[in-house]
Amino acid sequence: TQLLEQSPQFLSIQEGENLTVYCNSSSVFSSLQWYRQEPGEGPVLLVTVVTGGEVKKLKRLTFQFGDARKDSSLHITAAQPGDTGLYLCAGARTGTASKLTFGTGTRLQVTL
Amino acid sequence: GAVVSQHPSRVICKSGTSVKIECRSLDFQATTMFWYRQFPKQSLMLMATSNEGSKATYEQGVEKDKFLINHASLTLSTLTVTSAHPEDSSFYICSARADRVIYGYTFGSGTRLTVV
Repeated sequence: TQLLEQSPQFLSIQEGENLTVYCNSSSVFSSLQWYRQEPGEGPVLLVTVVTGGEVKKLKRLTFQFGDARKDSSLHITAAQPGDTGLYLCAGARTGTASKLTFGTGTRLQVTL
Repeated sequence: GAVVSQHPSRVICKSGTSVKIECRSLDFQATTMFWYRQFPKQSLMLMATSNEGSKATYEQGVEKDKFLINHASLTLSTLTVTSAHPEDSSFYICSARADRVIYGYTFGSGTRLTVV
C-alpha cells in the first residue's frame, strides 16, 4: 500500500514554465520532506516541513505543508533544464521509528 | 554536511552468488540506517531498518534470510544479497540520519546490482 500518492507522475514542460507537484495521503505525518533524485544517484534532500500550513521557499521552489499535515505541494517557478529529475515526497509518521515512507514520485523533464 | 558513502556503485554478479553492499556514515555516527530498493521508474521502497548492535527490522514481504543486514559499528551497515537471482537486480540505496540534520536523512549514492 502506497501511503503517499504524487501527481502528476510525469511532467514534460518547456524552460520558463511554472509547475506544481502534489503529494497526498490519508495519513497524518509529523514531518514531510521533498527530495530530488537524478539517474544513478541517491535522493538529495530539498526541504523539510513540520508545521501544518507551513510554507518554505528555496529560490524558485516553494513548498507547502497542508494544514492537516496530510498533504504537501511543490511549486517551481520559471523551470530550468537543471530542474529535470525525479521529485519524491517522503513522510515520517509518529511512532514509526523514524521510518520514511516515500511517495510514488514525479518525473520532471524541462526542455529548452 | 552529513555524508553517507555507499560502495560499490555498481556490481554485476552471477546467479547464485552473494553480493555485499556497504554503507558508511563518514562524518557522523548513525545508530540507525535504512536500506531501500528502487526498480526502474519507480519510487523507493523501504526494505529494512538497520540497528547498531541489534537485529535489523525488516518490512513485510522482505526475506531476512535473503537480505542479510549487519550493523556492527556506528558508522557501517552492510547489506548482503544471498543467492542472488535476476529478479534481485535493482538499485539499492542506504540512508542514515544525522542528529545535526534536523528531520533530515542523508542518502548514499546507491548501488546498481545486476544479476546475470
